[in-house]
Amino acid sequence: EVQLVESGGGLVQPGGSLRLSCAASGFTFSSYWMHWVRQAPGKGLVWVSRINSDGSSTSYADSVKGRFTISRDNAKNTLYLQMNSLRAEDTAVYYCARLVGATVSYSDYWGQGTLVTVSS
Amino acid sequence: QSALTQPASVSGSPGQSITISCTGTSSDVGGYNYVSWYQQHPGKAPKLMIYDVSNRPSGVSNRFSGSKSGNTASLTISGLQAEDEADYYCSSYTSSSTLAVFGGGTKLTVL
Repeated sequence: EVQLVESGGGLVQPGGSLRLSCAASGFTFSSYWMHWVRQAPGKGLVWVSRINSDGSSTSYADSVKGRFTISRDNAKNTLYLQMNSLRAEDTAVYYCARLVGATVSYSDYWGQGTLVTVSS
Repeated sequence: QSALTQPASVSGSPGQSITISCTGTSSDVGGYNYVSWYQQHPGKAPKLMIYDVSNRPSGVSNRFSGSKSGNTASLTISGLQAEDEADYYCSSYTSSSTLAVFGGGTKLTVL
C-alpha cells in the first residue's frame, strides 16, 4: 500500500525556519518525481515545489523561490522541504504528493498534510 | 490569483448531474490533453478523480467524467449523491517550468 506521511509542521515565528519531511512507503520512491502543494486555511491548492526522481532537477513557485529548498534522500525514502525566512502568508497545510503521468503533472497519492503556522 | 479559472460554487439535487468548468489558456488546458481533477473533503487530502482529461483511476465511480473543448475542461458528475459534496480542483500540465497549475477550486453542494 502506497503511503506518504508528512511531519515537521508546527508554530514558528516570522523569519524562522522549519523542515518538513515526507516518509514514503509501498512503492519504489526513487523512481518517482515528487512535489509539495500547500493550502492556506479556507483557500485552494497551490503548488510549491517539485523534484525529479534522482534529485538533480528542482522547481519552485515564485512565492517561495530563494526561501524554500526541496530535496530527497532516496536511501531513506524521504522527501524534504526546508523552509527559511518564513512569512505569515506561508501559513498552510503542506501536502507531499507523488507525481505521475506522461508529463509527471498529476498526483495519484497524497499525504495527509502537516500544518505550518507562522505567527508571533 | 489561480492560473486556471473555476466557478466558486455549484449545486445540485441528489440524482441530478452537474458540470464544473476549468478555463485556462493555450499554454496549459488548451495546448495539452493533460488535465486532472481532484476531490477534497473537509480536512482530508485531495483525491485524484480524473487524469489526462477523461481517464478515471481504478476505484473512482463512473459517475465522474471529464472532457475538454478548446481552453476549457469540464468535470461532470452524474447521479449526484450526498457524498459527492466536496471541493473540486482542476489541474493542468503547463509548458512553464512548474509543470502543473491548479484551479481555484469549486465547492459542490448537494441540496
